[in-house]
Amino acid sequence: AQSVAQPEDQVNVAEGNPLTVKCTYSVSGNPYLFWYVQYPNRGLQFLLKYITGDNLVKGSYGFEAEFNKSQTSFHLKKPSALVSDSALYFCAVRDHDYKLSFGAGTTVTVRA
Amino acid sequence: GAVVSQHPSWVICKSGTSVKIECRSLDFQATTMFWYRQFPKQSLMLMATSNEGSKATYEQGVEKDKFLINHASLTLSTLTVTSAHPEDSSFYICGGPPGQGTGEKLFFGSGTQLSVL
Repeated sequence: AQSVAQPEDQVNVAEGNPLTVKCTYSVSGNPYLFWYVQYPNRGLQFLLKYITGDNLVKGSYGFEAEFNKSQTSFHLKKPSALVSDSALYFCAVRDHDYKLSFGAGTTVTVRA
Repeated sequence: GAVVSQHPSWVICKSGTSVKIECRSLDFQATTMFWYRQFPKQSLMLMATSNEGSKATYEQGVEKDKFLINHASLTLSTLTVTSAHPEDSSFYICGGPPGQGTGEKLFFGSGTQLSVL
């Protein structure tokens, strides 16, 4: 079965500092990996995806993620975090039926 | 990107009543829609997959008689929580792929917060 793990429940950073949200995956075959963000009482917003190609994926709102096959990781990164980036972040993996399996989520808090 | 409209955003109901949640794809045809449930500060758990013109597929442990799913058209999928009880209180969210490509992402509605008194 496809699965992802987010080892950190919370990540706290100061505004302007780099932000990293970790995700590791376990799949059979080629992984289809996604990052979504959720603001309080809101739906999910798509940030970026990795299907194939370059290991560094650029996404929305200045986010990027690096696919690392040897470490089975897909960490989300932003060079300079904003207070408005404070939200709940989900890593997800897609299976052949388009179903997304989500990680437990990581709450990001960016302090001014 | 594609737009998924979900209504209502909030609903409070009495125990024993039924609640219907609608999920509409506004600018694409959704042959498939996924329904997730999320408890506070927890991840999203897939409940079922609705398929236009056929029966929904439920994940293990999800009561199909309690969570009725109907995919009446290519733009509308509904989830009805029947005889709701306080333990059904949760955040429900739908999402669908706008295409058939292998790289298609899901677009999600804004979610429905259900509170059963």
